[in-house]
Amino acid sequence: GAGVSQTPSNKVTEKGKYVELRCDPISGHTALYWYRQSLGQGPEFLIYFQGTGAADDSGLPNDRFFAVRPEGSVSTLKIQRTERGDSAVYLCASSLNGRSSYEQYFGPGTRLTVT
Amino acid sequence: QQQVKQSPQSLIVQKGGISIINCAYENTAFDYFPWYQQFPGKGPALLIAIRPDVSEKKEGRFTISFNKSAKQFSLHIMDSQPGDSATYFCAATVWGNTGKLIFGQGTTLQVKP
Repeated sequence: GAGVSQTPSNKVTEKGKYVELRCDPISGHTALYWYRQSLGQGPEFLIYFQGTGAADDSGLPNDRFFAVRPEGSVSTLKIQRTERGDSAVYLCASSLNGRSSYEQYFGPGTRLTVT
Repeated sequence: QQQVKQSPQSLIVQKGGISIINCAYENTAFDYFPWYQQFPGKGPALLIAIRPDVSEKKEGRFTISFNKSAKQFSLHIMDSQPGDSATYFCAATVWGNTGKLIFGQGTTLQVKP
């Protein structure tokens, strides 16, 4: 079956611009996670959705970052006034149920470059 | 207290050898410890995971050893193959919570033919 998909695969934007990154989780997975992976580092947690609600957004670095999942499936990570330090690979993962099924399936990521 | 420290940063092993990667954690609430494998341009993929009620778990050529008192766990890859060349991440989370993973810094493994 289809895995987690993310679009676009690459995004180049200028400092100060707004970007949206999209994640399509595996069908039927209620839990969705966003992580950010800087070069040579492990992924860092950003936000967790259980269904439509953001159950844990403690990893969002500041108020320029926002994510939504309005129908409990597709999620969009939104970054306002991008900065060069936002350059990273943004990974999305889904699992059957965040609390009782910890196998998280990751997408290939969106590589964001802020120039 | 949320950190997971991983070593070594890079590792070169001959084909057929044993690859060993170590991780240490501080948060005693962590009770689920997965290992992920990541190839260039791909997302991480779950390799094997362990909970602290056992000291070892083996799946094929991959074994996790867990030492609860030392707050350490390690991945052993037996009979390492060139196809195992990838970056490996350990991670930890709290069972029954959100499931958010705290990752180590990663180990780049190269298996020479």
